Amino acid sequence: AQSVTQPDARVTVSEGASLQLRCKYSYSATPYLFWYVQYPRQGLQMLLKYYSGDPVVQGVNGFEAEFSKSDSSFHLRKASVHWSDSAVYFCAVSAETGGYKVVFGSGTRLLVSP
Amino acid sequence: DAGVTQTPRHEVAEKGQTIILKCEPVSGHNDLFWYRQTKIQGLELLSYFRSKSLMEDGGAFKDRFKAEMLNSSFSTLKIQPTEPKDSAVYLCASRSDRGEVFFGKGTRLTVV
Repeated sequence: AQSVTQPDARVTVSEGASLQLRCKYSYSATPYLFWYVQYPRQGLQMLLKYYSGDPVVQGVNGFEAEFSKSDSSFHLRKASVHWSDSAVYFCAVSAETGGYKVVFGSGTRLLVSP
Repeated sequence: DAGVTQTPRHEVAEKGQTIILKCEPVSGHNDLFWYRQTKIQGLELLSYFRSKSLMEDGGAFKDRFKAEMLNSSFSTLKIQPTEPKDSAVYLCASRSDRGEVFFGKGTRLTVV
């Protein structure tokens, strides 16, 4: 069964610092991979997605993620965070043999300190 | 385009009651998901429809949770009977042909 692991429940970084949020997936074939963000009191919004091709994908607001088949990972990165990036970030996976259902990780709460 | 619409936004139910949550997906989207979100468990998939066919019926949630897709533009999630442990935010989402999933704002359910 497909699964997603986000090992860090909480991450705190200073404003202006770089960021990496980790995501590992468990699946034999290459799945479709996503990052979603949930701002306080708001719904989930997609940041970026990976289907195939260039392993580094760009998303909104300066976010990018890199797919690694050898490491089964899809880490999210940002070069310089802003206080408004404080939110909960979810990694998600979808694959053909799962009927294309979308399974989410447990989320990482990001706090950007001034 | 309207996004995914969920009603009601808040629901308070007494233990043992039956409640029905409603969802209207984005027009033209063929896939629909129901999730439950809690701080401890995160996002748990309850049901998944593909072109109105039930693809995933939620495993451990089967006994008291029933999702239906009455037509391509309306889905319901029935919880019968409710228990206090069902208190959570219930999210509905629909997926475009490009694979992007759009979420509704959710229904916050409190069972007392």
